[in-house]
Amino acid sequence: KNQVEQSPQSLIILEGKNCTLQCNYTVSPFSNLRWYKQDTGRGPVSLTIMTFSENTKSNGRYTATLDADTKQSSLHITASQLSDSASYICVVSASSFSGGYNKLIFGAGTRLAVHP
Amino acid sequence: ETGVTQSPTHLIKTRGQQVTLRCSSQSGHNTVSWYQQALGQGPQFIFQYYREEENGRGNFPPRFSGLQFPNYSSELNVNALELDDSALYLCASSLGDEGEQYFGPGTRLTVT
Repeated sequence: KNQVEQSPQSLIILEGKNCTLQCNYTVSPFSNLRWYKQDTGRGPVSLTIMTFSENTKSNGRYTATLDADTKQSSLHITASQLSDSASYICVVSASSFSGGYNKLIFGAGTRLAVHP
Repeated sequence: ETGVTQSPTHLIKTRGQQVTLRCSSQSGHNTVSWYQQALGQGPQFIFQYYREEENGRGNFPPRFSGLQFPNYSSELNVNALELDDSALYLCASSLGDEGEQYFGPGTRLTVT
């Protein structure tokens, strides 16, 4: 069964500190992995997208890593800001054997709260 | 802002009623995907439309149906509403089924 699991479920950090969010997946066949940021009650916004051959990708203070062998990814946030408070969702795309749509499998997300 | 819009923003319905949610895709995008997100959970894939045809479906019953119009906007229809249908409904548009998906702000549906 295709699954994406994220940890921790929630996290509280102080402004200016760094943090790392984890994502483990069992999705086959793997197409790509994305990290989204979702503010409460809003739609997710893409942070990074990585294919099988990419190990790391950065977007400002956000750096995502991918280990396709162990099927693990992490999202590292540097020098956190109050505006980083949101849910961070790991999404793995599974290719369809027969072509056609790429099925996205979402994790439940990590709720990050950044306190002053 | 992603350029994807959804209406209405919020909606309250009673059990057994029917509801239609609408999504306007980003300019140039020909694919719309719909998701259901329960409180505290990740989005669950409902279905995808590509060039006006259903292009894939998740584990949702037939009372969840959709349409895509020639301008690539889309509707999600839910019949015989149940309490568990209360959720945030998200649509995402993309260029092709493998393109980057851009999400709308969602419609919050409450079924009482």
